[in-house]
Amino acid sequence: DAKTTQPNSMESNEEEPVHLPCNHSTISGTDYIHWYRQLPSQGPEYVIHGLTSNVNNRMASLAIAEDRKSSTLILHRATLRDAAVYYCILTSGTYKYIFGTGTRLKVLA
Amino acid sequence: NAGVTQTPKFRVLKTGQSMTLLCAQDMNHEYMYWYRQDPGMGLRLIHYSVGEGTTAKGEVPDGYNVSRLKKQNFLLGLESAAPSQTSVYFCASRELGGANTGELFFGEGSRLTVL
Repeated sequence: DAKTTQPNSMESNEEEPVHLPCNHSTISGTDYIHWYRQLPSQGPEYVIHGLTSNVNNRMASLAIAEDRKSSTLILHRATLRDAAVYYCILTSGTYKYIFGTGTRLKVLA
Repeated sequence: NAGVTQTPKFRVLKTGQSMTLLCAQDMNHEYMYWYRQDPGMGLRLIHYSVGEGTTAKGEVPDGYNVSRLKKQNFLLGLESAAPSQTSVYFCASRELGGANTGELFFGEGSRLTVL
């Protein structure tokens, strides 16, 4: 299974954009890039996913490098409610979702 | 719409006891998953199921058994609990389809302590 590498932690000021990086140099052509986040004391929740093109939804944007070896989750205006652990995951036809340790985002008021 | 429901939410066991965690989903999802999360750690996949009557091993399957006799339920069993199995257990489900349909729906978690 292809693996991802994320920084252990990041900080951001409230109402500023946040760019959360993810490296996945061994990604295969069929792997989708998924992002989930886990708020304190809750189960993870889906944020966004994509294959090759950049994606936008109401929660965030996903920017995927042209060679697909890295991606960035963009929160356009961080709020205190966005403080969470963010997981970058690769999926393929096996349907296994391997989470890793993620990036703990701290949002400063 | 209840989504994914886990039972029980809390349980304390003694070493060697057995128990079963129940995950129920009402979204008619084909795929179901069991994860464990130790303090300060990410989620690790224990077992998963791609349909009724099927199960497969994840990253850390040892010490656990699972069954998927009904599409809506995925059971996780501990035959002889050990302190190393103290953790928070999360169940998740997703609909049938390729990886592009993506979204996993998670339960609220079951906190298990083994003394």
